Amino acid sequence: QKEVEQNSGPLSVPEGAIASLNCTYSDRVSQSFFWYRQYSGKSPELIMSIYSNGDKEDGRFTAQLNKASQYVSLLIRDSQPSDSATYLCAVNAGNMLTFGGGTRLMVKP
Amino acid sequence: AAGVIQSPRHLIKEKRETATLKCYPIPRHDTVYWYQQGPGQDPQFLISFYEKMQSDKGSIPDRFSAQQFSDYHSELNMSSLELGDSALYFCASSSTPGQTYGYTFGSGTRLTVV
Repeated sequence: QKEVEQNSGPLSVPEGAIASLNCTYSDRVSQSFFWYRQYSGKSPELIMSIYSNGDKEDGRFTAQLNKASQYVSLLIRDSQPSDSATYLCAVNAGNMLTFGGGTRLMVKP
Repeated sequence: AAGVIQSPRHLIKEKRETATLKCYPIPRHDTVYWYQQGPGQDPQFLISFYEKMQSDKGSIPDRFSAQQFSDYHSELNMSSLELGDSALYFCASSSTPGQTYGYTFGSGTRLTVV
C-alpha cells in the first residue's frame, strides 16, 4: 500500500462546477500536507498547504484536513478549463515529501 | 523572483553512457531534493542534501550519485544508463525545513536513453 493514495481519475467536471479531489495517507505522525498542480511535461507547482484540521481557503481553492481520518481534500470552485491538470497530494514523511499518484482533472467547456 | 534552475532541459543518451544533471537552488535555500518521475508516475524521491551534506536517501540506484557544492548547487551523476532511466528528473529546493513549508521545483530535465 502506498503511503499516499489518490484516485488516478480522470475526474471530469463541467466548467463552473466544483471539483473535489481526495487523498488519504498512512503515516499518523504526518503534520504537513500539500497540493501541487502539474501540467503535462511540466514541474509540480505548489498551490495549497494545510497543517491543522479544518478548512483553508485561498481564492477558488479550499483544502480540507481531517487527521483522525487521515484524509485531505482539495476543492476547486468555479472550475475553469485551465484547471485541467494532474493534482498531486504530498505529505511530509521524515525529512522529505512523499507524493501520491496524482488525480487527473479534466474541466470541460 | 528567482526560481530553481535545472540544466540541461533535455538530454538524450545511449545505453551504458553517463549523464550529469545540474540544479541551482533558489538563493538562500539550503536544501536540495532530487526526484525522478516516469511517464504517468508520481515523483519518486531519490536523494536530498542539507548544507552540502546528504540528508536523506530514497530509491536512488547505486549507479547514481549526487553531491551539493559549496555554492549550494547540486549535480546528479548517472552512469551505465539503462532504458528504464528515461524519465523527468526534478530538482527542488527549500529553506529548512522543507518538509514543513513545501518546496519549489525546477522545470526538470527530460532524460531519454536510447
